[in-house]
Amino acid sequence: EAQVTQNPRYLITVTGKKLTVTCSQNMNHEYMSWYRQDPGLGLRQIYYSMNVEVTDKGDVPEGYKVSRKEKRNFPLILESPSPNQTSLYFCASSLSGTYSNQPQHFGDGTRLSIL
Amino acid sequence: GDSVTQMEGPVTLSEEAFLTINCTYTATGYPSLFWYVQYPGEGLQLLLKATKADDKGSNKGFEATYRKETTSFHLEKGSVQVSDSAVYFCALSDQEGSQGNLIFGKGTKLSVKP
Repeated sequence: EAQVTQNPRYLITVTGKKLTVTCSQNMNHEYMSWYRQDPGLGLRQIYYSMNVEVTDKGDVPEGYKVSRKEKRNFPLILESPSPNQTSLYFCASSLSGTYSNQPQHFGDGTRLSIL
Repeated sequence: GDSVTQMEGPVTLSEEAFLTINCTYTATGYPSLFWYVQYPGEGLQLLLKATKADDKGSNKGFEATYRKETTSFHLEKGSVQVSDSAVYFCALSDQEGSQGNLIFGKGTKLSVKP
C-alpha cells in the first residue's frame, strides 16, 4: 500500500531534549516536505526537499533541521525543542516538486508536546 | 507573495443540505488549485484539483471550478452526509513559484448533523 509513515504519532517531552520525527514514503517520490499545523494558522511549511541531498527552508524553519540521505526518508530534527514547537506535524511527499499539478500525499501526523 | 483565503468556520449543516466553502487566491503565475480534506485524527487527503482556468475538479460528489476572472475555487456539494464532517483546506501551487510548494488556506471545519 502506498503510504507516508511518520513516527512517533504522539510524543511528550521536555525543553532542550533533542528529538527526531521520522518520515518514510514507499512511492519513490522525489519531493518531500514537513508542515506544522496550528489552530487558526493552518499548515505552514517547515522544510522541503526536491530530491536526495537537496533540502531548502520553508516558511517557518527556525529551530528545525532536516536531512535527505535516502530518497524514501526525510527525518525532522529538533535539536533543542522549546514549548513554542508544540504542534501537530505532517510529512508529505509527491512524485515531483518540479510540476505543480502533482498532489501531495500526507502522513497521519505527529502530535508533539514540549513541556 | 502567493496566498489563499478561505471562509472561516466552523460550518454546521444538516444532512442533505447544500455546501459551499469559499476560496479565493492571490498568485503571480498560473497556479494549480487543490482541495484537501482532513478527517479527525488523520492526515490530509487530496479531494480534487484543477490545473488551469475553467477546469472543474470533482470527486465524491464534491466539485470546484477554477475561475481565473474572480481568482476563486469554491468547493460545493449538493447534498452533504454526516461522513463529510471534516476540515477542508484550499491550496495552490504556483507553476512559476518555488518548485511546486503548496500554500494552504487556514482550513474550514465542517460539521454535518443527522
